[in-house]
Amino acid sequence: EVQLVESGGGLVQPGRSLRLSCTASGFTFGDYAMAWVRQAPGKGLEWVGFMRSKTYGGTTYYAASVKGRLTISRDESKNIAYLQMSGLKTEDTATYFCARAYVTSWPAFDIWGQGTMVTVSS
Amino acid sequence: QSALTQPRSVSGSPGQSVTISCTGTSSDVGGYKYVSWYQQHPGKAPKFMIYDVSKRPSGVPDRFSGSKSGNTASLTISGLQAEDEADYYCCSYAGSFTWVFGGGTKVTVL
Repeated sequence: EVQLVESGGGLVQPGRSLRLSCTASGFTFGDYAMAWVRQAPGKGLEWVGFMRSKTYGGTTYYAASVKGRLTISRDESKNIAYLQMSGLKTEDTATYFCARAYVTSWPAFDIWGQGTMVTVSS
Repeated sequence: QSALTQPRSVSGSPGQSVTISCTGTSSDVGGYKYVSWYQQHPGKAPKFMIYDVSKRPSGVPDRFSGSKSGNTASLTISGLQAEDEADYYCCSYAGSFTWVFGGGTKVTVL
């Protein structure tokens, strides 16, 4: 079964760091670009960042709201994508989803994880 | 990048059709053929419904259709069913490997 499972969320104080993981299974992880999307409580979806596959250099791109504070990486040997978050703010409180870029048309996301909740509060 | 504009809610009776609009700018919706739509039930992950404005991935019922005119994309659900009650989000590619989502529309089946 093709699946993404996020982990690593929790309660963290403002200014601290947290690393989220997205573990992929059921497909060749290295062939796919990956994205992170977040959803604040009761709010809509917000694109956070995107990482191309290693084939295309693994380059990363970020939303202006998180640039410089969030970093996406991937470990092909473990089939895991990471979202390293630093300098966390209360407005970063959200459920964070990882999503796979659709192979037929990469600007769409066909597989989503169940999400992991991050709460930034003192 | 501002969020795409969607109506907060739409409703319809079973069997009817509803259409959700998604308005952006020439820098996103109007500038690319890459509009996608996602369905989200409460507490669940988004589900992939439409890509490239009007294409349906395998497994999505043909009751769901997409279109675009200028800076506005639309999702139409025909033959509304109870299980279609959910939040729907449009998403547009905005160039340079960036994306923008709509604010979401709650579909209520009366």
